[in-house]
Amino acid sequence: GESVGLHLPTLSVQEGDNSIINCAYSNSASDYFIWYKQESGKGPQFIIDIRSNMDKRQGQRVTVLLNKTVKHLSLQIAATQPGDSAVYFCAEKSGTSYGKLTFGQGTILTVHP
Amino acid sequence: EAQVTQNPRYLITVTGKKLTVTCSQNMNHEYMSWYRQDPGLGLRQIYYSMNVEVTDKGDVPEGYKVSRKEKRNFPLILESPSPNQTSLYFCASSKQGAGSGYTFGSGTRLTVV
Repeated sequence: GESVGLHLPTLSVQEGDNSIINCAYSNSASDYFIWYKQESGKGPQFIIDIRSNMDKRQGQRVTVLLNKTVKHLSLQIAATQPGDSAVYFCAEKSGTSYGKLTFGQGTILTVHP
Repeated sequence: EAQVTQNPRYLITVTGKKLTVTCSQNMNHEYMSWYRQDPGLGLRQIYYSMNVEVTDKGDVPEGYKVSRKEKRNFPLILESPSPNQTSLYFCASSKQGAGSGYTFGSGTRLTVV
């Protein structure tokens, strides 16, 4: 599919390593955050979410960390696999309008076998 | 299968010729939204709807119209398309409230010549 990642940050890891993808968000009023994965030619796919009253949430092989003091979000992927290769986006919502979901710029993750 | 369906997948049109991209969801979601995705600019929200007959502008609404006459459908209308509207478009839906992320369709690749 056509690239959506012109000049995006990139992260290259070896299969089996742990990956950490970072995101800085801008709105201090945001109270809900989501990580999405987008594979080539597909729409964004929900991975994990976290509310602002939490600082950590774990899923299967993924962990999201939230630091509201510095407005920073991270996604940790354990034992990264080639199928994890994709563009990863963080997104934020605020109580002013829960229909409005704002995306970060994205990070390209490449996993080498 | 729970999904967001948008049509067409690919569309080439000429400047000024009105077009509609359809979007339908079968999950009884209250919220629906349209995004465009451009290289280097990420996903930007065009319009969103928090229920039938309730729509609001996103970050890049100029040149677009939407309507929400039924809960399941949320068409995107380009009254007079221009080449700068050449992009990859995604429709999405979610449950209402803070703790829900959008589920995305597969995308519509629009080219305006």
